[in-house]
Amino acid sequence: DQQVKQNSPSLSVQEGRISILNCDYTNSMFDYFLWYKKYPAEGPTFLISISSIKDKNEDGRFTVFLNKSAKHLSLHIVPSQPGDSAVYFCAASARTGANNLFFGTGTRLTVIP
Amino acid sequence: DAGITQSPRHKVTETGTPVTLRCHQTENHRYMYWYRQDPGHGLRLIHYSYGVKDTDKGEVSDGYSVSRSKTEDFLLTLESATSSQTSVYFCAVTGAPNEKLFFGSGTQLSVL
Repeated sequence: DQQVKQNSPSLSVQEGRISILNCDYTNSMFDYFLWYKKYPAEGPTFLISISSIKDKNEDGRFTVFLNKSAKHLSLHIVPSQPGDSAVYFCAASARTGANNLFFGTGTRLTVIP
Repeated sequence: DAGITQSPRHKVTETGTPVTLRCHQTENHRYMYWYRQDPGHGLRLIHYSYGVKDTDKGEVSDGYSVSRSKTEDFLLTLESATSSQTSVYFCAVTGAPNEKLFFGSGTQLSVL
């Protein structure tokens, strides 16, 4: 039973445009959310996170939005660059609960030059 | 870079043989994790450790065991490998539970 879902397996975007990656979760106890980026033959690397007390967190070209009522978060990348082409995983945890991050299935982003 | 080394990077083995994967870290992180990555499933937790000799099961622990005799090393053992255990295995570390994880580069395991 997938508690964190990324319903779009892939996304293609032109260089310079906005990339929007989406993630939904089912567990209302989740209060901490993260995005990871993964290149082929490498481990995932942390990109950005957001706590449930916020609805937006920004770091350079990357912004994560959290809509708690809809149990939905999104990652915006503006402007998109070819080096952003990778698989993006969202993850969630309940900080006061189990000692685990739950990951989505990933979205492969391709930025077209 | 959290100083994580996974070995081997690639392994091909036969069904029924035992396999041990090693994760070594240099930063003295207390928490260590083993995940597997499969198409359509994302990353799923196998086992984790919250200290030397302290381990617990994750969501897909059947067929796997772990050991942590030193802070820096976390071993994952497949007692009798099956084809369903063909996967990419990632080790991860953190200093605090449920905080951001730092991942190793992964081990590609093929069970024939």
